[in-house]
Amino acid sequence: DAKTTQPPSMDCAEGRAANLPCNHSTISGNEYVYWYRQIHSQGPQYIIHGLKNNETNEMASLIITEDRKSSTLILPHATLRDTAVYYCIVSSSNDYKLSFGAGTTVTVRA
Amino acid sequence: GAVVSQHPSRVICKSGTSVKIECRSLDFQATTMFWYRQFPKQSLMLMATSNEGSKATYEQGVEKDKFLINHASLTLSTLTVTSAHPEDSSFYICSARESIGYGYTFGSGTRLTVV
Repeated sequence: DAKTTQPPSMDCAEGRAANLPCNHSTISGNEYVYWYRQIHSQGPQYIIHGLKNNETNEMASLIITEDRKSSTLILPHATLRDTAVYYCIVSSSNDYKLSFGAGTTVTVRA
Repeated sequence: GAVVSQHPSRVICKSGTSVKIECRSLDFQATTMFWYRQFPKQSLMLMATSNEGSKATYEQGVEKDKFLINHASLTLSTLTVTSAHPEDSSFYICSARESIGYGYTFGSGTRLTVV
C-alpha cells in the first residue's frame, strides 16, 4: 500500500481557508486518495476522495497534482467545528483496505 | 448517504468475559466490512477484513481466536472479544463501503473498558 505523509499539526483562523497537504509519492495508477476526519471519540467522517481529477463537494475540495504524488484538501471557510484530526489515505489496489497514518491535527481558532 | 450503525457505543465488562460488538449497514449491502482498534492518542489500526459468507482476514499480529468475526449477512458483521483483559480496553470501529468507487462509511465506534 502506498504510504502518505502529512504535517502533524496546523492551526488556522476561523472563516479562513484551511489547506491541508499530503504527500503520496508511491501511489499507483489505480489507487484513490481519500480524506477523512475524526473528532474526539467518534468514528471517522468521510470528507472526499479522488483518483486524478480535482474534486469538490459541500464539505471540501481536493486538489491532486498532475503526477498524483501529492494532494491538498481545502476547507474553504473553516469553522470551530472543523477542529479534528484529518487523515489522508491511499486505498490499496489489491484489497481496498484503508490504512490510517498519524494524520494532521487541525485546530481552528476564533 | 450510506449509514453504518455500531452497537453498543460503550460497554464495560469484567476480565475473562466476552463482549460482542455489532456493525450494521443500514441502507446498503456490504460484502466487505473492516474492523479497527484505536488506543488513546493513537491512529486507527486495522484489525481485520470481514467477508460475507467466508472467513475473516486478520492483519499481522491480531489474534483470530481472540477477536472472532462473523459476517453472516450482507448487512451485519459482529466482532466478539473473547476472554477480555484490561489491555483489550480500546475504541473499536467498523467500516463498510457501498461499492467500489464510493467512500467508506464508519460506525460511531464502541468504547470497551475491561475491568
